[in-house]
Amino acid sequence: DIVLTQTPLSSPVTLGQPASISCRSSQSLVFSDGNTYLSWLQQRPGQPLRLLIYKISNRFSGVPDRFSGSGAGTDFTLKISRVEAEDVGVYYCMQATQLRTFGQGTKLEIK
Amino acid sequence: EVQLVESGGGLVQPGGSLRLSCAASGFTFSSYEMIWVRQAPGKGLEWVSYISSSGGTIYYADSVKGRFTISRDNAKNSLYLQMNSLRDGDTAIYYCARDDYYSGTFGGYWGQGTLVTVSS
Repeated sequence: DIVLTQTPLSSPVTLGQPASISCRSSQSLVFSDGNTYLSWLQQRPGQPLRLLIYKISNRFSGVPDRFSGSGAGTDFTLKISRVEAEDVGVYYCMQATQLRTFGQGTKLEIK
Repeated sequence: EVQLVESGGGLVQPGGSLRLSCAASGFTFSSYEMIWVRQAPGKGLEWVSYISSSGGTIYYADSVKGRFTISRDNAKNSLYLQMNSLRDGDTAIYYCARDDYYSGTFGGYWGQGTLVTVSS
C-alpha cells in the first residue's frame, strides 16, 4: 500500500506570509498512463472538503492562484503565496494512482 | 451546481447494519466514478470504497472488505454503502465524493457527510 507522509503536521503562519506543506510518497505516483495523480484537499470547519490541486500542479475550478502545487515522483509540495484568514483549516495530500491514500493532514493556523 | 447529499447515518450497536445513501445532482451521475471516504472523530481521512461509473468495477479498503458493499443506481442518481457487522472502529463521518479519471480530478466534489456511531 502507498503511504503518504506530510510535514509539518502543524503550521502556524502570519497573515500575508507564505506557507508550504510537503507530501512524500512511499513509492512513485506515476500511473501507467504517464500522469501523476497527486491532489491536495482543504478541509475548513463546517465546510465540505474542497479539491484545490490535481495532477500535482493544476488548480481546480475556483481555486485562487495563491495556491500552487509542485513536485514529481515521490515528493510534492503545496504552497500558499500569501496566507489569508480563510485559509485556516487542515490540508491533505491524496494519491489516486493506486486505489486511494491520504496524508495525515496538516493543520494551518494563524500565529 | 454539483451537489452530493449523504443520509442514513445514526447510532447502531456493534454487529448491526446501516445503509448510507448519497444523492447526486447537478451533473450526469452515470458518467462519473464515485467513492466513499470516512473520518473518525478528530482523525484524518480514510478511503473506504470505489465504484466505477457503470458499477462494474469495485474496490474496498482492507478494513471494510467483506463487511461493506458499495452500489449505485444510475437511474436514481444515487450511491449507496451497505455496512454490516459494524464495529466500534467504524464510527466516523462518511463522505461520498465524485471522481473523474478523464480530467484527473479525483475527489472533485464532496458531500457534507453523515455521522455513523457504533456503540452499545
